[in-house]
Amino acid sequence: GQQLNQSPQSMFIQEGEDVSMNCTSSSIFNTWLWYKQDPGEGPVLLIALYKAGELTSNGRLTAQFGITRKDSFLNISASIPSDVGIYFCAGLYGNKLVFGAGTILRVKS
Amino acid sequence: GAVVSQHPSWVICKSGTSVKIECRSLDFQATTMFWYRQFPKQSLMLMATSNEGSKATYEQGVEKDKFLINHASLTLSTLTVTSAHPEDSSFYICSARSLAVLGYEQFFGPGTRLTVL
Repeated sequence: GQQLNQSPQSMFIQEGEDVSMNCTSSSIFNTWLWYKQDPGEGPVLLIALYKAGELTSNGRLTAQFGITRKDSFLNISASIPSDVGIYFCAGLYGNKLVFGAGTILRVKS
Repeated sequence: GAVVSQHPSWVICKSGTSVKIECRSLDFQATTMFWYRQFPKQSLMLMATSNEGSKATYEQGVEKDKFLINHASLTLSTLTVTSAHPEDSSFYICSARSLAVLGYEQFFGPGTRLTVL
């Protein structure tokens, strides 16, 4: 089945630093999505990407849909303590979302 | 807009009992609802897809007789874990979608923590 390889698995950074995480796949996806999940909560959509090469921003977050449609990255600039959480990439394959394994982000203030 | 709720938020039950989890789309009509399962420190795994008024489609390896899904209306889907066992303890999350109105985006509920003793 389709799999997404998400890296890094976890990050522990200083407040104010920029963060970058990415997902790759051997399969082509037509839509890439980035979610954030807080402990004990459901995922919340951060950014949706619909076109190959698309670069989209949402506040301090920027994400790009790779030109090959097999990868995507998410950048967070000037991290703050509330950025703590688990970030998941997801690819839309047909009717279904396939999730990456997640990146755990911890921020030192 | 596009709010999805789940009830209960957590439940503890004895082994052998059945537990029902509700998923509601509060401000839109969901033509499709999805049920996911998440183990600690792991990703979300799709269990089944349900369309209103029809039988759910289960992912490979998910027992349909154990995880009963009903999507009787455009705003409500239920997941019943029958004869629950400790290995069924997990975080269950639903999502809802309205293809015609909101496109392919899925809106997630807050999840239900199930603990089977």
